[in-house]
Amino acid sequence: DAGVIQSPRHEVTEMGQEVTLRCKPISGHDYLFWYRQTMMRGLELLIYFNNNVPIDDSGMPEDRFSAKMPNASFSTLKIQPSEPRDSAVYFCASSLLGPNYGYTFGSGTRLTVV
Amino acid sequence: AQSVTQLGSHVSVSEGALVLLRCNYSSSVPPYLFWYVQYPNQGLQLLLKYTSAATLVKGINGFEAEFKKSETSFHLTKPSAHMSDAAEYFCAVSVTGGYQKVTFGTGTKLQVIP
Repeated sequence: DAGVIQSPRHEVTEMGQEVTLRCKPISGHDYLFWYRQTMMRGLELLIYFNNNVPIDDSGMPEDRFSAKMPNASFSTLKIQPSEPRDSAVYFCASSLLGPNYGYTFGSGTRLTVV
Repeated sequence: AQSVTQLGSHVSVSEGALVLLRCNYSSSVPPYLFWYVQYPNQGLQLLLKYTSAATLVKGINGFEAEFKKSETSFHLTKPSAHMSDAAEYFCAVSVTGGYQKVTFGTGTKLQVIP
């Protein structure tokens, strides 16, 4: 199994531009999570899906952030417009049976907004 | 709401010495507890998890953790540190039943001195 695949690994963009992060979960995993990691705030859960349906998006910072999961093998996290304070590492993770059974994380996307 | 507190943001040990990383949890219901490890520029990897089956949990890479309800602790140990253990370690908690949500600690960076 290839694990959770995220793209791109690195993204540098200018303030105001749209950014789209992509994630392919492990096949058969019904849960997908988007996390953001910064030095100041640590790991923050942004949103999670179960069977492609958003379950909890209370961690999404503001309306500039949106996430979709059009099918079981693909999810996107979009930021529009991007701001310097969005600079962080964004992780996607998937789980077979839910958070209580542990996650498999992708390698992350390091986003820099200048 | 559940939470975890990791004592010590940085821990240094000599190669071959005991590794002890401390985690205390707070939860009003029986918890699930996890330790994850993050190597530089990588996502988090599940080391071990406690799900009430046994209080002493063995994980990968020689790590283990003991659930102590009376102390609300779930400390991570390894008898002999290797250079390859240098990484950041995260304790996490979730709760049984109902809505599943994992809360991560702030992390402890382990330095192994040759």
